[in-house]
Amino acid sequence: AQSVAQPEDQVNVAEGNPLTVKCTYSVSGNPYLFWYVQYPNRGLQFLLKYITGDNLVKGSYGFEAEFNKSQTSFHLKKPSALVSDSALYFCAVRDPSGNTGKLIFGQGTTLQVKP
Amino acid sequence: SAVISQKPSRDICQRGTSLTIQCQVDSQVTMMFWYRQQPGQSLTLIATANQGSEATYESGFVIDKFPISRPNLTFSTLTVSNMSPEDSSIYLCSALGETSYNEQFFGPGTRLTVL
Repeated sequence: AQSVAQPEDQVNVAEGNPLTVKCTYSVSGNPYLFWYVQYPNRGLQFLLKYITGDNLVKGSYGFEAEFNKSQTSFHLKKPSALVSDSALYFCAVRDPSGNTGKLIFGQGTTLQVKP
Repeated sequence: SAVISQKPSRDICQRGTSLTIQCQVDSQVTMMFWYRQQPGQSLTLIATANQGSEATYESGFVIDKFPISRPNLTFSTLTVSNMSPEDSSIYLCSALGETSYNEQFFGPGTRLTVL
C-alpha cells in the first residue's frame, strides 16, 4: 500500500537560515511526488512536483526538493527561510500505475520561521 | 492551472441535518475529488467524483453518508448527510487535468462545524 511519512510535526528555523522539511514515501513502481503548502484558513497551494528526470526540482517561492530513490525520500528545502514561509506543509504521492489520479498525503509539518 | 471555487466557505449546522457543498472549476478537468481534513490532521480522500456515474468511494466512506454528484466536467457537489459533531472538518474539492502527472488543484475548502 502507498504511504507517505513526514517524521517531524514541526520544524523551527530562524529567518535567513536554510530549511528542510522531510518526507519519505512507500509506493510500488515509480512515484509521482508533490509538495503543497497550506496557510491558515486557506486551501492547498501547489509548490512543486517530481515526475521524472533531474532529481532536484525547483518550485514556487524559492523552494526546491530532492528526489532520492535509494532512500525513498523527497525532502523540501529552501536556502534562506522567510517569516512568510511559516505554514503547514504536506508531502503527497501518487502511484501512476493505477491511473486513478489519487493523492496520498503525509500528516503534515508545521514550519515556524522566527525573525 | 485550474481555479476552483467552493460554496459555502463555512457553515455551522445542527446535528441531524444535511449540507451540500458545491465545487466549480473554471475549466474542463478529467478528474474531481473530495477530501476531508479533520481538525489538526492531514487530508483524507473521501471519493473520486465521476462524471455521469456514481462516485468511487474510499474505504470508510459510503454513499449514504456522503452522496456526490458530478453532472458535467466542471461541477460537483458533496452532501454531508445526517451530520454529527464528528463531521466537523474542512472539506476540500480538487481537480486533476488531462494527465496523471499533473498536479491537483484545490479549492479553498468549506469549514463545517456541527453542533
